[in-house]
Amino acid sequence: KQEVTQIPAALSVPEGENLVLNCSFTDSAIYNLQWFRQDPGKGLTSLLLIQSSQREQTSGRLNASLDKSSGRSTLYIAASQPGDSATYLCAVSGSSGSARQLTFGSGTQLTVLP
Amino acid sequence: EAQVTQNPRYLITVTGKKLTVTCSQNMNHEYMSWYRQDPGLGLRQIYYSMNVEVTDKGDVPEGYKVSRKEKRNFPLILESPSPNQTSLYFCASSLRLANYNEQFFGPGTRLTVL
Repeated sequence: KQEVTQIPAALSVPEGENLVLNCSFTDSAIYNLQWFRQDPGKGLTSLLLIQSSQREQTSGRLNASLDKSSGRSTLYIAASQPGDSATYLCAVSGSSGSARQLTFGSGTQLTVLP
Repeated sequence: EAQVTQNPRYLITVTGKKLTVTCSQNMNHEYMSWYRQDPGLGLRQIYYSMNVEVTDKGDVPEGYKVSRKEKRNFPLILESPSPNQTSLYFCASSLRLANYNEQFFGPGTRLTVL
């Protein structure tokens, strides 16, 4: 059964810092990996989707990388801002007999201090 | 605006009283699914649907029913709610299989069963 782990569980940084969030998964036979942002009491907003054949995706100040063979992904946030404060979730699709669902990590709660 | 909507957003009910949480998307997506989010357990899939009249169980289907009579709607039914179904529920959709397509999430429904 696929398991997804996110480290650290919580992170607090001063505004302007670059930071990296980590995601690891146990079964490398994935179809894609998706990073989401969740604000308190709100739904999930998709940030980046990386297909299994890709190594990275970029959107603005965000860059996500994928190393499928080692079961790792990172989300890099450049020049962090207080508005980046949220919980960041990674999720993988496929493997473990089911290609139709996402398996989520527990998230990293990010606080960017002004 | 392309979106996934859920109703109600908040619901407090009592054990055994049947309820339905509606989910609707306006993006002509084939794939829809329901998740529940619990502290320490992350997001877990309840049911999913590949297309109209096609539904299947996710990881935690016990105590839930779904139907997919129309492409845009995917209601979640709790025939006899119990306190362990108190949770935050999310509906999601994607164009086709979750393997290759970005998933879009609704705003969530916070359910409390007394």
